[in-house]
This record gives sequence, C-alpha cells and structure tokens, in this order.
Amino acid sequence: AQSVTQLDSQVPVFEEAPVELRCNYSSSVSVYLFWYVQYPNQGLQLLLKYLSGSTLVESINGFEAEFNKSQTSFHLRKPSVHISDTAEYFCAVSSNAGGTSYGKLTFGQGTILTVHP
Amino acid sequence: DGGITQSPKYLFRKEGQNVTLSCEQNLNHDAMYWYRQDPGQGLRLIYYSQIVNDFQKGDIAEGYSVSREKKESFPLTVTSAQKNPTAFYLCASSGRPREGTEAFFGQGTRLTVV
Repeated sequence: AQSVTQLDSQVPVFEEAPVELRCNYSSSVSVYLFWYVQYPNQGLQLLLKYLSGSTLVESINGFEAEFNKSQTSFHLRKPSVHISDTAEYFCAVSSNAGGTSYGKLTFGQGTILTVHP
Repeated sequence: DGGITQSPKYLFRKEGQNVTLSCEQNLNHDAMYWYRQDPGQGLRLIYYSQIVNDFQKGDIAEGYSVSREKKESFPLTVTSAQKNPTAFYLCASSGRPREGTEAFFGQGTRLTVV
C-alpha cells in the first residue's frame, strides 16, 4: 500500500519570493513520483516527474523537486514565484513494480499556493 | 489534437437518479482511470481499467459502475446508491511503462445533486 502526505494545505507567499511545497510518501515498493498542478475548475497537468537517475528534476517553468529516498520526500521548490503560479499542487506516487499497477496514482491532499502581489 | 475529453462539464442530478459521465481518449492508451475530487481530500480512485473488457475497483467504488467496451471509452455511472455524489470527477489515461508512466487528465465533470 502507498500513501502520500502533503504537509501544508495552504501556502501564501509574495510575488518573487521562494517557495517550498512539502511532500512525504510511504510505500513498500519502489515508486515513481509526480507533481501535478491544477487551476480552478480544470483537470490536472503534469509539472514534473521522477522515474530514476538524477534525484533533482526540473520543469520548464522554473519548478524543481528533489527525490530523497532516505527521508521518503519529494519536495517542490521554486526560487521566485509569479502571480500565475497560483494554483493547487498535488504530489502523487505510483508503483514501478510493473504488472497491472502501472499508471495507478495515489495522491496527496493538495497544497493551495497563493501568490500575492 | 490528442487528449482526453470529458462530458458534460457540468451535470445536475436529482436524488434517486442514475447519471453517466463520458470519458473518451485518442491517445491510444491502454489504461484509464476515474478519480473523485473533494476539497481538502485530494483525488481518490473510483475504478480503473488496464485493458478492454476488464476493470478493477479502486478505493471508493461503492455506488459507482463502469464499462470498458472500447479502448477509447470509459464511461462512469453514478448510481442512486452513491450517498454523496456531489463532487468533481476526473478521468485519466496512461500508456504502458515503456511509453511513459504519467497519467493524462481530462478537464473534469462537476456533478451536483439538486
């Protein structure tokens, strides 16, 4: 069984400030890790993913996340946020054990990031 | 354009009625999923299917039913047995691991019981 905990339900921040959204997971098997972003009344869009290799992964819009296996964490960071980053962010895991489990995601509760001018 | 289409975007249901939410994908993905989203609870898996004519219950399947007669389509029926159906419903699909592992999502259907 897998579980995901996002440690902050809401994160307010001022524009151009740095931000960190925290995510911890629990799993008995190796996992793939994802961050998705959701704008109001829309579906989820993939922000970035960790499959294997380098533990630091980056998105095209300046977000990055680091996989820390010993701490079972996958925190999302951005050094300088914009108003347009205001959205809800979801951390998710899926098993990389293959078989019939591929693509099946377990989500955290979400973190609402609000960027103030 | 390849993607996932959910319809309708908004749906109103009277208590005691069954309703069906549509989900179609043209990504040639084998696997499809239905999630329910409630404020502060993240997304919870209702049903999933990894091959035509086969599907599995997720964590909150009670009061829901699905079918997978075609690879492209995975409709969800919210039955009158679902006690609290008002929610945002999201459909997703994914390919086999060699094709990438992330799920692609539709734009969602907001169901309201009136």
